[in-house]
Amino acid sequence: QQPVQSPQAVILREGEDAVINCSSSKALYSVHWYRQKHGEAPIFLMILLKGGEQKGHDKISASFNEKKQQSSLYLTASQLSYSGTYFCGTGVMEYGNKLVFGAGTILRVKS
Amino acid sequence: DVKVTQSSRYLVKRTGEKVFLECVQDMDHENMFWYRQDPGLGLRLIYFSYDVKMKEKGDIPEGYSVSREKKERFSLILESASTNQTSMYLCASSFEGYEQYFGPGTRLTVT
Repeated sequence: QQPVQSPQAVILREGEDAVINCSSSKALYSVHWYRQKHGEAPIFLMILLKGGEQKGHDKISASFNEKKQQSSLYLTASQLSYSGTYFCGTGVMEYGNKLVFGAGTILRVKS
Repeated sequence: DVKVTQSSRYLVKRTGEKVFLECVQDMDHENMFWYRQDPGLGLRLIYFSYDVKMKEKGDIPEGYSVSREKKERFSLILESASTNQTSMYLCASSFEGYEQYFGPGTRLTVT
């Protein structure tokens, strides 16, 4: 079942902060975050694993609430280069290494 | 750097044709994935392979098949293309459950 991302879209000015949420109805083993710019492939930003391990981008942080099956991506002091569509991908133990992706959040940073 | 390549960036086929989309990765990843991306729906998994000759259905396998004869190559086959298979197709690879590396995508149009 596809995780729910919110908001669907957000517009920021440079320097502002944003939070993107990802919520699943399944018990999660991992949450991945990716960013896709128009016409390009998605690129990896962050992985959060059950138990607290994180691996990812220096300027982006995220949280993973295992009990609520929720993750949030925090973009601080946004830059023009942050514009794109953000996807969360959720990993469930019984699915092995497959991910189920959300519909995406469109982020636009204006100068 | 991990590199995932796809055989075509753009492809136009006629209804009923057999279509082959190829994906090659150069990092010895055991996992390879085929996704379909449509506006507002995010990335939906078509098929997944965790080893040579091994495959699992994803969320939307109907109308598709896959082949993995060599570890580095994963092919998506549309046995009889239909207009509702017009979409962007993305291939990805990963080591275990860690970050997925995506190819540039193939935009397929079926007329």
